[in-house]
Amino acid sequence: NAGVMQNPRHLVRRRGQEARLRCSPMKGHSHVYWYRQLPEEGLKFMVYLQKENIIDESGMPKERFSAEFPKEGPSILRIQQVVRGDSAAYFCASSLNRGRGETQYFGPGTRLLVL
Amino acid sequence: QQPVQSPQAVILREGEDAVINCSSSKALYSVHWYRQKHGEAPVFLMILLKGGEQKGHEKISASFNEKKQQSSLYLTASQLSYSGTYFCGTQLVGGGGADGLTFGKGTHLIIQP
Repeated sequence: NAGVMQNPRHLVRRRGQEARLRCSPMKGHSHVYWYRQLPEEGLKFMVYLQKENIIDESGMPKERFSAEFPKEGPSILRIQQVVRGDSAAYFCASSLNRGRGETQYFGPGTRLLVL
Repeated sequence: QQPVQSPQAVILREGEDAVINCSSSKALYSVHWYRQKHGEAPVFLMILLKGGEQKGHEKISASFNEKKQQSSLYLTASQLSYSGTYFCGTQLVGGGGADGLTFGKGTHLIIQP
């Protein structure tokens, strides 16, 4: 399956712990986007990365959240000291070329539950 | 600026048609349509890049009216498999244009046998 892969699919954390979400883009894609979806809401853009570069992080909360896309390996969305309000589905998408006008293909998401 | 989708929800019988609208207050560069079933990933349907462009995919088509800054998704002779939530994602023209998509709140579509 050459689709976008995300793991884990479900993640449970207690308040104050760290959450690490991983995303492997489609084969041949080097552009990754992270979105957050709250229950009954649309997807909210968080960050756009290319290999080793953060291009647009205008949707990222200023504190506790960070993202990276190293030269080798998956993209990682890291949430430090999680709070209950971080509970959501986190989706990543990838595109072949730079995002404007390009199709973004979504992964199955990671559902984060903070207790 | 989040696009506005209408209607919020629609219930159809199998074989009926539906139209879902997506409106923006700012000039649009592109409109991306997705369908999401509960607990699953959004599935790409189509992308529209030019004003007045219309695209089709089997019995699902869409139009993009650049002047009205609006896109419409047309589902004809709906099938049970069309049930789900439909989202439009937009990118703006010019300086406000980021690479990420700004999504509407979605339209829930229920198809009954």
